[in-house]
Amino acid sequence: DIQMTQSPSSLSASVGDRVTFTCQASQDISNYLNWYQQKPGKAPKLLIYDASNLETGVPSRFSGSGSGTDFTFTISSLQPEDIATYYCQQYDNLPQTFGQGTKVEIK
Amino acid sequence: EVQLVESGGGLVQPGRSLRLSCAASGFTFDDYAMHWVRQAPGKGLEWVSGINWNSGSTGYADSVKGRFTISRDNAKNSLYLQMNSLRAEDTALYYCAKGLRGRLNDAFDIWGQGTMVTVSS
Repeated sequence: DIQMTQSPSSLSASVGDRVTFTCQASQDISNYLNWYQQKPGKAPKLLIYDASNLETGVPSRFSGSGSGTDFTFTISSLQPEDIATYYCQQYDNLPQTFGQGTKVEIK
Repeated sequence: EVQLVESGGGLVQPGRSLRLSCAASGFTFDDYAMHWVRQAPGKGLEWVSGINWNSGSTGYADSVKGRFTISRDNAKNSLYLQMNSLRAEDTALYYCAKGLRGRLNDAFDIWGQGTMVTVSS
């Protein structure tokens, strides 16, 4: 199975900050990488698919980049409503696997 | 409105069986692959199983292979997960999720609210 490692596990930033975190795959997954946001008590929400494509209706402050084994997720200006845990997911091979999550908090 | 509604969860003893259902509405169900994803209390997301549009292709996590069976009824716009030989480690919130495009390997763009399965004696 392909292992997905997210870093850091948690971070704290101020409103308006640029926030970046990463996801590393244990093998080359091309651009078959998605990002989800999960708020407490809610179902996950797709934000980015195919590493860099913004899902319809998702604010443009969210972006993704990368290919191969190394991927980055960025919030250009952190907003209070962005408090959540963010998961990466590879779909190059079955079983599709998720990273362990990055929890974003407001400082 | 595009919607997925799961049902069938509950408290079950180890070794017993449970069948989850997911009712879909608001989209052409048989155009898309469908999946089950679970989340143990306080833990991350784990893909459990997926099925393509015509049931011709399925996949399972190693942790459930041989115990769980995914199926769908396109006439009823419904997805199912038959869970046998349940273990304590199967305790989780089970989400039904829709594939973004027509293939089995894909992003999940629509999620239900989940149904809780608790395996305990």
